[in-house]
Amino acid sequence: GQQVMQIPQYQHVQEGEDFTTYCNSSTTLSNIQWYKQRPGGHPVFLIQLVKSGEVKKQKRLTFQFGEAKKNSSLHITATQTTDVGTYFCAFQGGSNYKLTFGKGTLLTVNP
Amino acid sequence: NAGVTQTPKFQVLKTGQSMTLQCAQDMNHEYMSWYRQDPGMGLRLIHYSVGAGITDQGEVPNGYNVSRSTTEDFPLRLLSAAPSQTSVYFCASSPGVETEAFFGQGTRLTVV
Repeated sequence: GQQVMQIPQYQHVQEGEDFTTYCNSSTTLSNIQWYKQRPGGHPVFLIQLVKSGEVKKQKRLTFQFGEAKKNSSLHITATQTTDVGTYFCAFQGGSNYKLTFGKGTLLTVNP
Repeated sequence: NAGVTQTPKFQVLKTGQSMTLQCAQDMNHEYMSWYRQDPGMGLRLIHYSVGAGITDQGEVPNGYNVSRSTTEDFPLRLLSAAPSQTSVYFCASSPGVETEAFFGQGTRLTVV
């Protein structure tokens, strides 16, 4: 079935450095969602992108959906220790509710 | 506002035992799902439901049963627990397609 590949699997940065995680699919996606999971916590929704080439910002976070709707990225500017966690992308197949997750990128931040 | 409530938070089972993980939501969401999370594997969909009386299989359904008799509740049953089912289980709900999913706090299950 449809899958997404997330890279990198792990990323360790110094506080203040930027961070980017990528989500890639071999097929066109109808939408992409991003979630954050703090260590020991549950996934929390960040954003959804549905339009080709869409860019959305939330403070230091920038989300992009590729023109072909096959890839997406999450960029964090000037990381802080509060950004620590695993970032997941997820998608639904058109009218099918099934929400499928990537394997996630674990971000650690050295203060 | 309770959101999605999962019980229990922790459980230890012996191989072969059965149990039910409970999930309840008070947001009147039509869509509910169960995921398991294992290290390095992300969140894998076990079963999902698009409304009361309607359920379907996800990516890893074997060894698990579900039912949806009410909009609020979506229990997950392990009929004969196996060590391979040791995992963290999350229940999620959402109001519709292409809407955000709300997750419960999770149940950490260990099968010995």
